[in-house]
Amino acid sequence: GAVVSQHPSRVICKSGTSVKIECRSLDFQATTMFWYRQFPKQSLMLMATSNEGSKATYEQGVEKDKFLINHASLTLSTLTVTSAHPEDSSFYICSAETPGLNQPQHFGDGTRLSIL
Amino acid sequence: AQKVTQAQTEISVVEKEDVTLDCVYETRDTTYYLFWYKQPPSGELVFLIRRNSFDEQNEISGRYSWNFQKSTSSFNFTITASQVVDSAVYFCALSEVDDKIIFGKGTRLHILP
Repeated sequence: GAVVSQHPSRVICKSGTSVKIECRSLDFQATTMFWYRQFPKQSLMLMATSNEGSKATYEQGVEKDKFLINHASLTLSTLTVTSAHPEDSSFYICSAETPGLNQPQHFGDGTRLSIL
Repeated sequence: AQKVTQAQTEISVVEKEDVTLDCVYETRDTTYYLFWYKQPPSGELVFLIRRNSFDEQNEISGRYSWNFQKSTSSFNFTITASQVVDSAVYFCALSEVDDKIIFGKGTRLHILP
């Protein structure tokens, strides 16, 4: 079945560091990928829709300059948390749409980001 | 207003008991999808089911069953003969025509040995 790989699975870094998270579709091409954030004991909230070859669409309240999304190929989307601060500590998870009408999304295993 | 409501924040049952997780959704679209996901402590999302709005048939998969009722906008999930390994957070979710998945707040299920 379709597999989405997310890397790294865990990041711990100092405040002010920029962190890049990769989301790859391993055996299919994904023109659309989604990025979610989950704070502890809360639900997953959609941050942005990543479209291959064009600008990402951000949900209301998500700072696009803070969370840079690049979807340069049909199998890779990256989320960069710029100048991360402790309040950015969260679980970030991506999903990718399989091609075709009404096909399901497949989720990566998530990245746990801890900013000290 | 929430589009996906999971009124049960946390449930504890003793192993082997049956348990039903409730989900109520809200949408104006006639075409939509409903999902259930399991999130164990390790964090990954485990896909359980996807149901489209035109298919109201109930589904059974092993110890899991789902009851979809459009009349009450509900998509409830029942685990029969629960096991300790079923302990997790369970999310009900909805996607509309734009394919964005909207998650409920989740129900934390504890199965006690």
